[in-house]
Formats: sequence, structure tokens, C-alpha cells
Amino acid sequence: GAGVSQSPSNKVTEKGKDVELRCDPISGHTALYWYRQSLGQGLEFLIYFQGNSAPDKSGLPSDRFSAERTGGSVSTLTIQRTQQEDSAVYLCASSSSPTSGRIYEQYFGPGTRLTVT
Amino acid sequence: AQSVAQPEDQVNVAEGNPLTVKCTYSVSGNPYLFWYVQYPNRGLQFLLKYITGDNLVKGSYGFEAEFNKSQTSFHLKKPSALVSDSALYFCAVRVDSGYALNFGKGTSLLVTP
Repeated sequence: GAGVSQSPSNKVTEKGKDVELRCDPISGHTALYWYRQSLGQGLEFLIYFQGNSAPDKSGLPSDRFSAERTGGSVSTLTIQRTQQEDSAVYLCASSSSPTSGRIYEQYFGPGTRLTVT
Repeated sequence: AQSVAQPEDQVNVAEGNPLTVKCTYSVSGNPYLFWYVQYPNRGLQFLLKYITGDNLVKGSYGFEAEFNKSQTSFHLKKPSALVSDSALYFCAVRVDSGYALNFGKGTSLLVTP
């Protein structure tokens, strides 16, 4: 079946502009995660959504970062007033419900490479 | 806090030889451990996980990992390496305060013909 998809695959933006990154999770997966991969910081967790529960935003690096998940499916990560240190690959992942008591693996999308000039 | 460490930035092995990619963990409570592989310009692909039970876990593409509680390790292994195994490998642990994964820094595996 279809995996996690992300768009755009690449995004170049000027410092100070806002950007939106999109994630389509695997159908039926109730959990959705955003991570950031950069040379200096490795793979960092950003935010987690599970069903209709309030998201876990504990990994967001600043208030310039926000995310939404509409209808329990598609998610958008928004970065306002982008800075050069925001340049990274943004990865989205989804899984079956981790609150069910079972431990499910996360399936990752191909990522969006963001370059802030 | 839950964390994993991958002590080797790079591992080199000749094709056909066994390979090991090391990972040690630090957790409070039961560890839930994962291995992922990343090919160039691709997302992460799940290889295997340890939740409970047998210490030897078998996964995709002939990979396996051995959970060792006394040594707090979860090394990835393969009996016979292929050139196509060359990639970046990440060990990860699930955090106990939520459901996200904490990743190691990654180990680059190079398999030479």
C-alpha cells in the first residue's frame, strides 16, 4: 500500500519568510510524528499527534514552529519567519495507535529538504 | 531520560563478511529499541524492534539484533554483508514520557566489494 508522503520534496526560501510542509500519513494510522534531521543536531523529535488528543509539542524548538492535523489525517508543519538554522530535512512518520498497549514501529516519509537562504 | 549511543561514526566491512553496528542504551524502565536504515536522499526504513521476549530479534533484509540487558546493548548484525547494505543506520529508543523516538547519531556502514 501507499506509504507516508511528504510535499514538497525540496523547498528553498528566503530568511524571514513563512513555509508550510505537508505530510500524508499511511491510511488508518492514528499517530503522526514530525522529526527534523540536521547535520549538527541529528534526528530530533518535534511534535506528535494521536487521534483527537492534544498534540505533544515538547520538541518544538521555538514558537515560530507550529503544526496542525486536520481530520485526523493530513498534517501541516508551519515555520514562521524562517532562520538559516531552520535549514534541515523535515521527516514525517506515522504509526498505528501507540496508546493501544502495543508497541508499533513508525513508518517514515521521504522528507522535505528545507534550505533557508 | 531515555537515550541511545552509537559509538562508531563509520563501519567498514568487506562484502561477504559479518557486520556489526553497535548501539548502547540508557533507560529507566523497560527499553523499547529500534533499528532504522537510511539510504541517500531517502527517509528512514524500519529494520527491526525489541519489545520483550527473545533477546535475538530478526528483521528485514537478513538483519538481526541482540538485546543484552547486562551490557545495555542492542547491536545490529548480519552474517554476510552486501554492497547494497551500505547506508546510514540509526538506533532508537522510545521515550517513556511520550511516544516519540530518541535516535542515536547514526553509523555509516560501507561495504566494499
